[in-house]
Amino acid sequence: QKEVEQNSGPLSVPEGAIASLNCTYSDRGSQSFFWYRQYSGKSPELIMSIYSNGDKEDGRFTAQLNKASQYVSLLIRDSQPSDSATYLCAVNVNTGKLIFGQGTTLQVKP
Amino acid sequence: DADVTQTPRNRITKTGKRIMLECSQTKGHDRMYWYRQDPGLGLRLIYYSFDVKDINKGEISDGYSVSRQAQAKFSLSLESAIPNQTALYFCATSDTVEQYFGPGTRLTVT
Repeated sequence: QKEVEQNSGPLSVPEGAIASLNCTYSDRGSQSFFWYRQYSGKSPELIMSIYSNGDKEDGRFTAQLNKASQYVSLLIRDSQPSDSATYLCAVNVNTGKLIFGQGTTLQVKP
Repeated sequence: DADVTQTPRNRITKTGKRIMLECSQTKGHDRMYWYRQDPGLGLRLIYYSFDVKDINKGEISDGYSVSRQAQAKFSLSLESAIPNQTALYFCATSDTVEQYFGPGTRLTVT
């Protein structure tokens, strides 16, 4: 079983819609959770960090964490074509290392 | 100026050659990491270092070695390059767990 799982997609949404990206993880000891955005051929860029259960909002982005169900999600409101990228979920298990999922490709169609 | 830099950005080399990839950072972080990224396999950790005197193997260290020359510099070497080491290589740094990536090196081994 993979430690961090994401649907590879592609997830296609129309411009202006809400994109919902999901991630599940296997280690209940996981302490902190991250979402990275990666454009094709570019490096991953940290866009959200979340450490406790509930929602965390930053502009058009909302991260949601549910430790009991072992999932973390990222909502992107008012999706724009510029949001088209691969979104990587990463989990820290109190080791200082991150375990990355394989990423979900998001396509926002004008 | 970028906080995390990698040199070279692109490199083509032949099987059996030794090659070094370099990473420098101005973020003042103690922790540095080397990853490789292959299509469909996500980001995989090669080596990591939590301070100048600390070097640790990641999940795919075979065929690679590293040197932490200073807090700001972390180099990755391929002692005898082979074609399946063709990949995109990223350096990352962190203060605690949030990691920040360099622009990457695209390495092709022919």
